[in-house]
Amino acid sequence: GAGVSQSPSNKVTEKGKDVELRCDPISGHTALYWYRQSLGQGLEFLIYFQGNSAPDKSGLPSDRFSAERTGGSVSTLTIQRTQQEDSAVYLCASKPQGSSGNTIYFGEGSWLTVV
Amino acid sequence: GEDVEQSLFLSVREGDSSVINCTYTDSSSTYLYWYKQEPGAGLQLLTYIFSNMDMKQDQRLTVLLNKKDKHLSLRIADTQTGDSAIYFCAVPRGGSYIPTFGRGTSLIVHP
Repeated sequence: GAGVSQSPSNKVTEKGKDVELRCDPISGHTALYWYRQSLGQGLEFLIYFQGNSAPDKSGLPSDRFSAERTGGSVSTLTIQRTQQEDSAVYLCASKPQGSSGNTIYFGEGSWLTVV
Repeated sequence: GEDVEQSLFLSVREGDSSVINCTYTDSSSTYLYWYKQEPGAGLQLLTYIFSNMDMKQDQRLTVLLNKKDKHLSLRIADTQTGDSAIYFCAVPRGGSYIPTFGRGTSLIVHP
């Protein structure tokens, strides 16, 4: 497809387990973002990748969260030893170099429920 | 860091105009954005405004920017039931490419 693709779309996991969430950005987009949306909350920035530069990890809430982007394309967000407060929708977005208005394009999200 | 504030709910009658307001703290942003999120879906860009503009009109949508007061608004003319969604204001922080989002305004359109 032409849009940002995220998988899984839904994930239920037990507290203490590790989870991996995947994001396939739009082809050719150089920038990639992860945000988290909790119930009743706005979007919380997690991490930003731009080309080959060091990622901006300033939004990661704890050292249980990490993300990587391989080959400048696909990204994986990993949450170790999940806690119930990690339950949220994890949204990925991407942006091309020099987009009109610096617009970013979102995927539909991965809904994570920790039980 | 950037702080973006929005009211949480707005209820309007079908056919009326809706005005969704947003205030922010960082004045160095080049662009300011409005996104729409329908139930169970991701965020869709509605429109954006360049910081040197006061107003932008796009069909039923009008964006007003008051840089002095750091106030952004989105007006939807002739609001329809299909406009019911959550609307997010987004402002890039510190001149970066990382938008900070408000908590979103839930727009409810009733007949």
